[in-house]
Amino acid sequence: DQQVKQNSPSLSVQEGRISILNCDYTNSMFDYFLWYKKYPAEGPTFLISISSIKDKNEDGRFTVFLNKSAKHLSLHIVPSQPGDSAVYFCAASARGQAGTALIFGKGTTLSVSS
Amino acid sequence: DAGVIQSPRHEVTEMGQEVTLRCKPISGHNSLFWYRQTMMRGLELLIYFNNNVPIDDSGMPEDRFSAKMPNASFSTLKIQPSEPRDSAVYFCASRSGPSNQPQHFGDGTRLSIL
Repeated sequence: DQQVKQNSPSLSVQEGRISILNCDYTNSMFDYFLWYKKYPAEGPTFLISISSIKDKNEDGRFTVFLNKSAKHLSLHIVPSQPGDSAVYFCAASARGQAGTALIFGKGTTLSVSS
Repeated sequence: DAGVIQSPRHEVTEMGQEVTLRCKPISGHNSLFWYRQTMMRGLELLIYFNNNVPIDDSGMPEDRFSAKMPNASFSTLKIQPSEPRDSAVYFCASRSGPSNQPQHFGDGTRLSIL
């Protein structure tokens, strides 16, 4: 029973174009969402987050959008660069619940070609 | 700045042997998390500590798994006896403050049980 789902295992984009990575969740108690990036043989690296009181958060080339009614969030990378090629994990947590750890999706592998 | 430090980076051992994975969290972080990553299940939480106290160990798969955090700067995850299905990458992460703060991951231990 996956509470956080990334339905696209992979995405290929050309350099300079926009990358859109999607994530759906089922638990309406989630109130904090994060995106992590992971390179091979390294641990996940925090990228950007959003609180449930917002619907958008932007940091440079990275923007996360949250649609609470649809229980959906997305990460936009524009313009995409070859160095963005990595596995991207969506994660969520519910403050106040026991075990305020993160629930992760299974990841989407982004390939940006030059 | 030193990040989360895990050791060893790789471990290969025979079935039935005891395995001990080690983690040094970022100094000043008060929460520590152990995750396991497999192809089938993705990143899943095993156990997490807050101020050195285990808070949620519901993700620990069996009694063969145990974790300790004797002080704020050190934690171990032990598997005894190990089995081939324990083969995975094990990540440690730490966090400062409440749940609406990101976790910071180590580079993981790749464990292979033959």
